[in-house]
Amino acid sequence: AQTVTQSQPEMSVQEAETVTLSCTYDTSESDYYLFWYKQPPSRQMILVIRQEAYKQQNATENRFSVNFQKAAKSFSLKISDSQLGDAAMYFCAYRSALDDKIIFGKGTRLHILP
Amino acid sequence: DSGVTQTPKHLITATGQRVTLRCSPRSGDLSVYWYQQSLDQGLQFLIQYYNGEERAKGNILERFSAQQFPDLHSELNLSSLELGDSALYFCASRAGVDTGELFFGEGSRLTVL
Repeated sequence: AQTVTQSQPEMSVQEAETVTLSCTYDTSESDYYLFWYKQPPSRQMILVIRQEAYKQQNATENRFSVNFQKAAKSFSLKISDSQLGDAAMYFCAYRSALDDKIIFGKGTRLHILP
Repeated sequence: DSGVTQTPKHLITATGQRVTLRCSPRSGDLSVYWYQQSLDQGLQFLIQYYNGEERAKGNILERFSAQQFPDLHSELNLSSLELGDSALYFCASRAGVDTGELFFGEGSRLTVL
């Protein structure tokens, strides 16, 4: 069964600095999708960024980018120029292209220090 | 606004009771997922439906059941409630088969006293 591991329960970063959140996953499949979701204090889950495993190019969305290392099964999220509004719980998620399960890691709580 | 509607937003009940949580997916989305998020925990996948049929099952207790109706709305039924069932229950619908992106509702917060 696939698993998603986020090894950093909490992280802090100074406003305007860059922070990287780690995510590793375990799968025997070659085709899948990876996601980062943000959950602010409002508890609403919001998609931050998405990566298809067959694409070698790392996805980017404005200040958010990923470092996708397929062989290492690693999918880290880099937030540049951190802003106070980035403070949230961040979840890494995996979806196989073969079945419909979408599983999440336990999350990393990110604090932004003014 | 994600387009996914969940009701009720908050629910307080007693142990041993039964509740039903309702979810209306985004227009056009055929897949509905249910997740449980306990205090400061990740999202535990419960169950997924696609166009009225159960497609995938996760860590769903036997006391819990779900279904998806012909109009594509879904209900999660929780029975014989225990204190540990207190959690935020999320429904999400999926945009399509190619990306797998989930659109989440605002969640139903269940408190069992």
